[in-house]
Formats: sequence, structure tokens, C-alpha cells
Amino acid sequence: GAVVSQHPSWVICKSGTSVKIECRSLDFQATTMFWYRQFPKQSLMLMATSNEGSKATYEQGVEKDKFLINHASLTLSTLTVTSAHPEDSSFYICSAIGQAPKINQPQHFGDGTRLSIL
Amino acid sequence: SQQGEEDPQALSIQEGENATMNCSYKTSINNLQWYRQNSGRGLVHLILIRSNEREKHSGRLRVTLDTSKKSSSLLITASRAADTASYFCASSIQGAQKLVFGQGTRLTINP
Repeated sequence: GAVVSQHPSWVICKSGTSVKIECRSLDFQATTMFWYRQFPKQSLMLMATSNEGSKATYEQGVEKDKFLINHASLTLSTLTVTSAHPEDSSFYICSAIGQAPKINQPQHFGDGTRLSIL
Repeated sequence: SQQGEEDPQALSIQEGENATMNCSYKTSINNLQWYRQNSGRGLVHLILIRSNEREKHSGRLRVTLDTSKKSSSLLITASRAADTASYFCASSIQGAQKLVFGQGTRLTINP
């Protein structure tokens, strides 16, 4: 149980393109989803926390207008990288937790999306 | 930075040996979690230890937590080639839902 599906797994596109990444919880209701960014051989850096039906909470230094997050349902959150540039190339990973109690629950991760901007 | 520290950054051992990874964190926590990441993949949850627990076992994994030192360790016994991966500790900060990840340990098990 607790499967999170992330799509697409790999995206290559031209500079200036907007790219949407989907994160779905397949067998549980995810009240909270998280979006991370990971550079090669580095750790995960949290970008934002997304609660269903409300605006995402962004970490310091993350541009809200650049990385649009929508969490419209209990099973789907999307991250849109707007007008992507080569410096946005990275590995993006989502995770989700189920309904209460939220403390002392592990996060369930998708398999990540490798974004390459040419 | 809130990011935790892990050591060693890289560890290479022979199959069958034990592997120990250490983690330190900076703030009060609800729990401390360990995850594994195979190259190019997402993270897989291994074990969660609550702030009021000192030791926890799961199969070949043993985790300890010392809240006075703000540190944790992960021991993998009788390592196998399939254990080759990066291992991350993540602290669940009190009063917040988010996790703060350590820098990770790249473990290589040589057959």
C-alpha cells in the first residue's frame, strides 16, 4: 500500500517551455504533498508543502511564480515549472502523507522526474 | 541551513560486513526517519524512530536515537550487494509537517 505515482519520469524540452509534473497517490488520500528538488549527488531540498484545497507553502528562496503548485484533490498535486530555463534542470521528487494523524507518519515518495532544459 | 549532517559521505564495504551510518540534526524533533534511494529513483522509507524511543529494529536494520546529542545511527547487518544505494536520515521537526534531510551516505557493497 501507500503508492505514489509521479509522471512523467523524464522530460527534455526547450528553454522557455512550461512543464507540468503530476504526483498521484494511488491507494490512499494524501492530505499533504511535498515537492523536492535534488541536484546530482546531493540531498533533497524541500521546495514547498501542499495541502489539499489550500495554497502551497513555499520554502525560503523558492519562487512562487516560477514553480506553480496545485493540490486540487486528495489524490493529485501538480508542479508546473513556468518558462523553464537550463538552470531549472534538476531531479524533482514528490511525496505524500495520508490523513490524520500526520505526526509520526513516513512520507511516501514518487519515483521522481528528471527535467532537462536545453 | 537547517540541513542535517551525515557521515560518512561515502562508504564501501565487502558483502557480509556491517555498515554503520551516522546522522546529526539541529532542532527538536517528533521523530527521525531513514530512507534509501537507488540511483535515479525516489526514496523508500526504511524505518521511523520516535523522539521517545532509543532503539528500533527492522529485519537487518537497527536504528538508534540519542536526543541529548541530537544524533542517530543506522546499522545494516550482513550487507548484500542489493543494499548498494544512498541512505538519508530525515528529521521531522516539532510543530511542522516537513522533513529536513541529511546530506546522505552513498553505500557501496562489493560482492
